[in-house]
Amino acid sequence: AQKITQTQPGMFVQEKEAVTLDCTYDTSDPSYGLFWYKQPSSGEMIFLIYQGSYDQQNATEGRYSLNFQKARKSANLVISASQLGDSAMYFCAMREGGGGGSNYKLTFGKGTLLTVNP
Amino acid sequence: AAGVIQSPRHLIKEKRETATLKCYPIPRHDTVYWYQQGPGQDPQFLISFYEKMQSDKGSIPDRFSAQQFSDYHSELNMSSLELGDSALYFCASSSTGAGGRNEQFFGPGTRLTVL
Repeated sequence: AQKITQTQPGMFVQEKEAVTLDCTYDTSDPSYGLFWYKQPSSGEMIFLIYQGSYDQQNATEGRYSLNFQKARKSANLVISASQLGDSAMYFCAMREGGGGGSNYKLTFGKGTLLTVNP
Repeated sequence: AAGVIQSPRHLIKEKRETATLKCYPIPRHDTVYWYQQGPGQDPQFLISFYEKMQSDKGSIPDRFSAQQFSDYHSELNMSSLELGDSALYFCASSSTGAGGRNEQFFGPGTRLTVL
């Protein structure tokens, strides 16, 4: 079974509008972390936001917020006030296990290609 | 702030040749991860090192090997290259003392093309 599922291969949004990118995950580990990365066409992987499984509040980082619904195992990324520079591939990723250790590879979803239209 | 450094950024090789990719983690980071991202694919975990010891292994072909040196830099060695090895190879580093997030910081990647 897929550990990370991103059901939207592509999304379009108008500049200055908000957009939600979906991510669901599957794990039996009670301790895990969820990450969102942005990958522009240049190829680098840019960290956006993190949510730990025990975090009580949804994470926010500037224009990015994470809609974390633990019971539904979803961790959707919300980008507010979209900008042309937000056009990129977005990956949801999961780290299984507590964050204090040293051996926690990331498992990625297939990604969502976001296009921001002027 | 210092970031993860990878070299070379681009590499072109012929089939059956060998390649060595280098990674210099962020200073004081104790864990290094290698990922392979094929064209149009998501990154796949290859191997990781903690304090210079291999800590986990993913879908890494036997033709590949890696190590982490005393200065914490890591090298991914790839032999008998195949066309399917053409990909973007990322190195990421993290610190176990990072407050529990274990956030991985990615390098810019090495784009390997096998002809």
